[in-house]
Amino acid sequence: QVQLKESGPGLVQPSQTLSLTCTVAGFSLTSYNVHWVRQPPGKGLEWMGVIWNTGGTRYNSALKSRLSISKDTSKSQVFLKMNSLQTEDTATYYCARDYYSSYIGYWGQGVMVTVSS
Amino acid sequence: DIQMTQSPPSLSASLGETVSIECRASEDIYSNLAWYQQKSGKSPQLLIYYASSLQDGVPSRFSGSGSGTQYSLKISGMQPEDEGVYYCLQGSKYLTFGSGTKLEIK
Repeated sequence: QVQLKESGPGLVQPSQTLSLTCTVAGFSLTSYNVHWVRQPPGKGLEWMGVIWNTGGTRYNSALKSRLSISKDTSKSQVFLKMNSLQTEDTATYYCARDYYSSYIGYWGQGVMVTVSS
Repeated sequence: DIQMTQSPPSLSASLGETVSIECRASEDIYSNLAWYQQKSGKSPQLLIYYASSLQDGVPSRFSGSGSGTQYSLKISGMQPEDEGVYYCLQGSKYLTFGSGTKLEIK
C-alpha cells in the first residue's frame, strides 16, 4: 500500500528556512519519482519540484533559487528545504508519488505551514 | 514553462446535468494530461490520466478527451458527491497545474 506522510514545523518566521520531510512506505525511492506540491489557503495547486528515482532534481523556475529537494533512500525519506520564506509561502505542502512517470498518482495528507512572526 | 489555462473558474450544475471543464496548454502536450478532484480539506484524487484513461475506481460518468493543446473533462450526470474543485495537470514537460474549477450543486 503506497503511503506518503509529510512532517515539519507548522510555523516558520519570515526570512527563515523551511525544512519538511516526506516519509514513504509501500514503494522504493529508487524506483519512483517524488514531487512536492503546495497550495496556499483557498488557492490552487502549485508544482514545486521533483526528485527522480535516479536522484536528479528539477524545480519550478519561480522557486528554483530558494528550493532544494533531496532524499535518503535507506530511510525512505524525501526532504524539502526552502529558504527566505515570506508570508506568501504560507500553504499546505504535499509530497506525492508519480504515476506512469508523467502524473501524480498518490498524495500525502499535506502539512500546513504558516509563515508569520 | 508550459502554461495551463483552465475554464470556467466556477460552475453550478443541477443533479443529473452534464458538465464540462476545459484546459488549454500553451504548447502541444501530446495528451500528457491528467484531471484531479479535490474535496474540501482533502488531498487531490486522480480521475483521468493520458487525457482519456479512467483511473481505477473512478465512476464511468467521468470522461476525458482532447489532443494537442485542448482538453476537456466531462461529468455525465452530476451527483452530489461530485462537488469539489477540479484541476488539470500537464505532464509533458515537468508538471503544471491548471488554476482549478469549483463545481457546486445548483
